[in-house]
Amino acid sequence: GIQVEQSPPDLILQEGANSTLRCNFSDSVNNLQWFHQNPWGQLINLFYIPSGTKQNGRLSATTVATERYSLLYISSSQTTDSGVYFCAGGILTGGGNKLTFGTGTQLKVEL
Amino acid sequence: DAGITQSPRHKVTETGTPVTLRCHQTENHRYMYWYRQDPGHGLRLIHYSYGVKDTDKGEVSDGYSVSRSKTEDFLLTLESATSSQTSVYFCAISGPLAGGKTYEQYFGPGTRLTVT
Repeated sequence: GIQVEQSPPDLILQEGANSTLRCNFSDSVNNLQWFHQNPWGQLINLFYIPSGTKQNGRLSATTVATERYSLLYISSSQTTDSGVYFCAGGILTGGGNKLTFGTGTQLKVEL
Repeated sequence: DAGITQSPRHKVTETGTPVTLRCHQTENHRYMYWYRQDPGHGLRLIHYSYGVKDTDKGEVSDGYSVSRSKTEDFLLTLESATSSQTSVYFCAISGPLAGGKTYEQYFGPGTRLTVT
């Protein structure tokens, strides 16, 4: 089956610090998404990034499909960045895009 | 934000009772999915649909059934709820819409189900 592994599992930052989250995935994955789950449980789309680099404000992501990994960069972190960050690897079939989630990185940003 | 609603948002039920969760979308997306989220497991796919009356099993489908009689509605049924089905259930939708290329998934707000 599909394997999706995230690191680190937990991260504590001071406000203003930068961080890098990593996601490794297995061969069969052909697209990747990053999500932020806020403290209220809502899943927020960050990036749909099968390959290449994308940026959205203080966040950016890079997927190197040939080496089976993706990185999420958070710059100048804020307390509102706290929550769990998930990556999910997808396989496109006639049934759509079935995602397999990693177990997440729990981020806490402190003042 | 994608137009996805889930109902109910919270439910407490007793072991052995049937439960139906509803997912409703206003986006006209073809694909719909049900996931469950448990501590230490991330989200896991239960069932998915690729069109009206077209559904298939996901990774953790035992004890669950689904139905999709209209494009906008996807129902998840626990025929006889068990304590192991206590979880948070998320519905998701994805395209592509006509002319689009992305299969990006968007998630609903979730339903917290407790089976006592």
